[in-house]
Amino acid sequence: EAGVAQSPRYKIIEKRQSVAFWCNPISGHATLYWYQQILGQGPKLLIQFQNNGVVDDSQLPKDRFSAERLKGVDSTLKIQPAKLEDSAVYLCASSLGTSGRGAFYEQYFGPGTRLTVT
Amino acid sequence: ELKVEQNPLFLSMQEGKNYTIYCNYSTTSDRLYWYRQDPGKSLESLFVLLSNGAVKQEGRLMASLDTKARLSTLHITAAVHDLSATYFCAVGGTGGFKTIFGAGTRLFVKA
Repeated sequence: EAGVAQSPRYKIIEKRQSVAFWCNPISGHATLYWYQQILGQGPKLLIQFQNNGVVDDSQLPKDRFSAERLKGVDSTLKIQPAKLEDSAVYLCASSLGTSGRGAFYEQYFGPGTRLTVT
Repeated sequence: ELKVEQNPLFLSMQEGKNYTIYCNYSTTSDRLYWYRQDPGKSLESLFVLLSNGAVKQEGRLMASLDTKARLSTLHITAAVHDLSATYFCAVGGTGGFKTIFGAGTRLFVKA
């Protein structure tokens, strides 16, 4: 079974530029998550999709961050314009769902995109 | 507001010793996760705990959950160097939303 795919793996941009990250979840997984992990910290949930609908974006800085999940499969996360404090690893994860047996909750993480804003 | 606290944040231990990492959380939750992260790598799922009294074991790691105390523990038995990594607990809010991570425990196992 293929895992969660993310691209690019690394990105370096200057502040005020725009950047986009792509995520392809595990086939059949209804729930998709985007996390931001700053060096030395735990991941912070930015947005959670159930199929193609947003179920939680309470920690997403909506003035500069946006995300979409078209057709309930792939997802993109965009930052426009980037700030120095956005330097982090952006992790995408997916799970079968959010209710039911334990297996439904288990989140599988992709390799992440390391963003450096200079 | 759901908050998650892990302790200790740093742990250096000798091979062959036992130790426990603690994860406390502030409000009702319906699931608790433990993850492992190696330097420069992504997160690897270790355990998902759903109910009070749940206990899961994999190799030298054992996780348990006490929902009444809002406490989970990750117990390491007879540590080996390969267990050196950062361990995170994460707690999910009710309804399947809002996964909140702890700050992580950086574990070093010395040979």
